[in-house]
Amino acid sequence: EAQVTQNPRYLITVTGKKLTVTCSQNMNHEYMSWYRQDPGLGLRQIYYSMNVEVTDKGDVPEGYKVSRKEKRNFPLILESPSPNQTSLYFCASSLRASQVAKNIQYFGAGTRLSVL
Amino acid sequence: AQTVTQSQPEMSVQEAETVTLSCTYDTSESDYYLFWYKQPPSRQMILVIRQEAYKQQNATENRFSVNFQKAAKSFSLKISDSQLGDAAMYFCAYRRSGVDYFGTGTSLTVIP
Repeated sequence: EAQVTQNPRYLITVTGKKLTVTCSQNMNHEYMSWYRQDPGLGLRQIYYSMNVEVTDKGDVPEGYKVSRKEKRNFPLILESPSPNQTSLYFCASSLRASQVAKNIQYFGAGTRLSVL
Repeated sequence: AQTVTQSQPEMSVQEAETVTLSCTYDTSESDYYLFWYKQPPSRQMILVIRQEAYKQQNATENRFSVNFQKAAKSFSLKISDSQLGDAAMYFCAYRRSGVDYFGTGTSLTVIP
């Protein structure tokens, strides 16, 4: 089954304790991205990756890191989480990032993070 | 500047009736894609419908259709014969250079 898998689904942590949210897709997609969703703000892109070893900042990259060492995985790293990073996070993937490509974006189920 | 604007934070519709959710976007490009996503209480993001800007014909998917007005940069979603399962948050999205920009969402309530 084609899917984007995020782990964990729920996470409660304390300020400053490093954490990683994993994202994996089994569709051989080139393009992957991370979003955060906050009330009244919709989805805002954190980072995206056009392909292996190619990552770039989205709208709200501060406080986050990503890596793309292999095609299927795109972990989101919070080196020193703060309460303002409490949010719902979505990972997504798409076959290619080409502007003219007819690629839909597949979303993971979301990770709800609370930073105390 | 906001790329995608959904001016209706909340909408409601009677079951079996029709409702239209509005979306406008800002772009200077001629070739792009527009999407509507549904987010039910489960929080999963589900693609509802997609429109290619170069196509004149409005996209339709069963009870869902769009009214795409390219010159006006408008992309509204029409849901016909609304069902209780349609209750969700709906997001409009615009794709530019491989990046999807989302609106702030419209919360749809379906009244039995």
